[in-house]
Amino acid sequence: AQSVTQPDIHITVSEGASLELRCNYSYGATPYLFWYVQSPGQGLQLLLKYFSGDTLVQGIKGFEAEFKRSQSSFNLRKPSVHWSDAAEYFCAVGSMNSGYSTLTFGKGTMLLVSP
Amino acid sequence: SAVISQKPSRDICQRGTSLTIQCQVDSQVTMMFWYRQQPGQSLTLIATANQGSEATYESGFVIDKFPISRPNLTFSTLTVSNMSPEDSSIYLCSVAGGGGYTFGSGTRLTVV
Repeated sequence: AQSVTQPDIHITVSEGASLELRCNYSYGATPYLFWYVQSPGQGLQLLLKYFSGDTLVQGIKGFEAEFKRSQSSFNLRKPSVHWSDAAEYFCAVGSMNSGYSTLTFGKGTMLLVSP
Repeated sequence: SAVISQKPSRDICQRGTSLTIQCQVDSQVTMMFWYRQQPGQSLTLIATANQGSEATYESGFVIDKFPISRPNLTFSTLTVSNMSPEDSSIYLCSVAGGGGYTFGSGTRLTVV
C-alpha cells in the first residue's frame, strides 16, 4: 500500500527566508504526487502536481517541488516566504485503484512565519 | 477546475443524532470522494461515490455509519449517523479533474 511521510510536524521560518518542506512517499509504480495547502478554516488548495516529465514542477504562489525517484522524495520549496504562506501543507500520492485514482495524504506540516 | 459548494460549513450536534453533508459541483463528474480529517490528523478517504452505483468504502468505514447518496453527476451527500464525540472532524468532499483533485471547503463537525 502507498504511504506518505512528512517528517516535520511544525516548521517556523522568518519572513523572507527560504523554505523547504519534506515529503517522502512509498509507492510501487510511478506516483502521481501533489502538494496542497490548507489555511485555517479553509478547504485544500492545490499548489502543484507531478505526473511525469520534468522533475522540477512549478506551482502557484511561487512554490516549486522536485521529484527525486532515487530518494522517493517530493520536497516543496519557496525561495522567499511571505506571512500569508502560514498554513498547513499536505503532500499526497495518487494511486490507481480499479480504474480511478485515490489520494493518500501525509500528516501535514504546519508552517509558521515569524516577522 | 471544478468548483465545489459544500454545506454546512460547520455544525455542533448532539450525540446519537445524524448529520447530512451536501456537496454540489458546478460540472458533471464521474467520481466524488469523501474524506475525514480528525483533529490534528491528515485526511483519510472514507469512500468513493460513483453515480448510479453503491459507494465503495475504505477499510474501517461502513455504509451504516456513513451512508452516501449520489443521485446525479453534480451532487452527493454524506451522512454521519448515530454520532459520538469521536466523529468530531472536518469532512471534505473532492472531485478529480483538470489534472488534480479539487476539494470542498469542508464541514467542521463537533459532537457534544
